[in-house]
Amino acid sequence: EPEVTQTPSHQVTQMGQEVILRCVPISNHLYFYWYRQILGQKVEFLVSFYNNEISEKSEIFDDQFSVERPDGSNFTLKIRSTKLEDSAMYFCASSVQGSHQPQHFGDGTRLSIL
Amino acid sequence: SQELEQSPQSLIVQEGKNLTINCTSSKTLYGLYWYKQKYGEGLIFLMMLQKGGEEKSHEKITAKLDEKKQQSSLHITASQPSHAGIYLCGADIGRGAQKLVFGQGTRLTINP
Repeated sequence: EPEVTQTPSHQVTQMGQEVILRCVPISNHLYFYWYRQILGQKVEFLVSFYNNEISEKSEIFDDQFSVERPDGSNFTLKIRSTKLEDSAMYFCASSVQGSHQPQHFGDGTRLSIL
Repeated sequence: SQELEQSPQSLIVQEGKNLTINCTSSKTLYGLYWYKQKYGEGLIFLMMLQKGGEEKSHEKITAKLDEKKQQSSLHITASQPSHAGIYLCGADIGRGAQKLVFGQGTRLTINP
């Protein structure tokens, strides 16, 4: 069964550094998403992406964050000038359509900022 | 903003017993999704409900969306160790919305 894959599974970075989290969505899906889950808290929406542009973003997704689909298969989340509070599990998801369709999630990247 | 509350927050049941997890929304649900999460892993899609009164089943798991579309329940019959994990409900927050809001999760432990 096709699945969303994320790399790396765990990323440790010094505060202030930039990180890039990578995702390969399911091949026939058109909508891509990033969510995060801070330890002990709810899964929170960050951004949705369709047709090579952001379609929705949350208040969390400020200028520190950016997303890109650099080629036909990868979808990346870049976090600049990382802060301690950016430590979280980051999930990528994809869906065939943008609403009223199940989103399929990857296993996540655990980001630890030191 | 739409909020989802799950109850209970944690549940310990003996293997073979039935159990129910509830998800209550502060607003009308346009789509309700149930996911299962194992510790340190991603969310596994279980079921999607859209219509008031809708009920879906997969193996021993049944999910329902009430008529008023503000509450959903997930029922597991004859629980097994493989059912252990964290169950999350997620919701479309409106027509055409492309993001999900999630409840805080229910941690299910199955004792042998």
